[in-house]
Amino acid sequence: EAGVTQFPSHSVIEKGQTVTLRCDPISGHDNLYWYRRVMGKEIKFLLHFVKESKQDESGMPNNRFLAERTGGTYSTLKVQPAELEDSGVYFCASSQEGTANYGYTFGSGTRLTVV
Amino acid sequence: EDQVTQSPEALRLQEGESSSLNCSYTVSGLRGLFWYRQDPGKGPEFLFTLYSAGEEKEKERLKATLTKKESFLHITAPKPEDSATYLCAVHHPNRDDKIIFGKGTRLHILP
Repeated sequence: EAGVTQFPSHSVIEKGQTVTLRCDPISGHDNLYWYRRVMGKEIKFLLHFVKESKQDESGMPNNRFLAERTGGTYSTLKVQPAELEDSGVYFCASSQEGTANYGYTFGSGTRLTVV
Repeated sequence: EDQVTQSPEALRLQEGESSSLNCSYTVSGLRGLFWYRQDPGKGPEFLFTLYSAGEEKEKERLKATLTKKESFLHITAPKPEDSATYLCAVHHPNRDDKIIFGKGTRLHILP
């Protein structure tokens, strides 16, 4: 079974540019999550999709971040325009159940550096 | 504010030297505490879920325990391949689909 795939693995962009991160969850997993770790901080929740619907987007930092999951398959997270404080590692995770109790499967993350 | 605090931040052990990692939490009404392992350049990998005080879970050289205020991850006779960052997390108090992570403990096992 293929795991959660994220790309790119690394991205370096200039402040003010736009970047789009992609996540392909495990096939059949209706639940998809985005988390982020900024340097020196803990991993923090951004949002949760159930199929194509946003179940909870309370962790999204501001309106420069836009997440989509068209068709309930892969998801994209767009940052526009990027700011220096957006640098960090963005993780995607998926699960069959809509609860953390059985564990999430995380991708390897996208390391975003805004310069 | 609900939070998860892990200690120590980093730990170096000789191969075979057993030790414990600590995770203390302040979230009210705990409904699940999780341990994950993270290798460099990888995402967190799920290890255990603990639900109530007194519960224990084991996997190879790892054993997780839970009290009303904290959890321990005991590592018995570790090997170099156990080197990783170990992350503790708890359910958000109001949502089962959201978890709150600690900063992790970086464990390095010397051969």
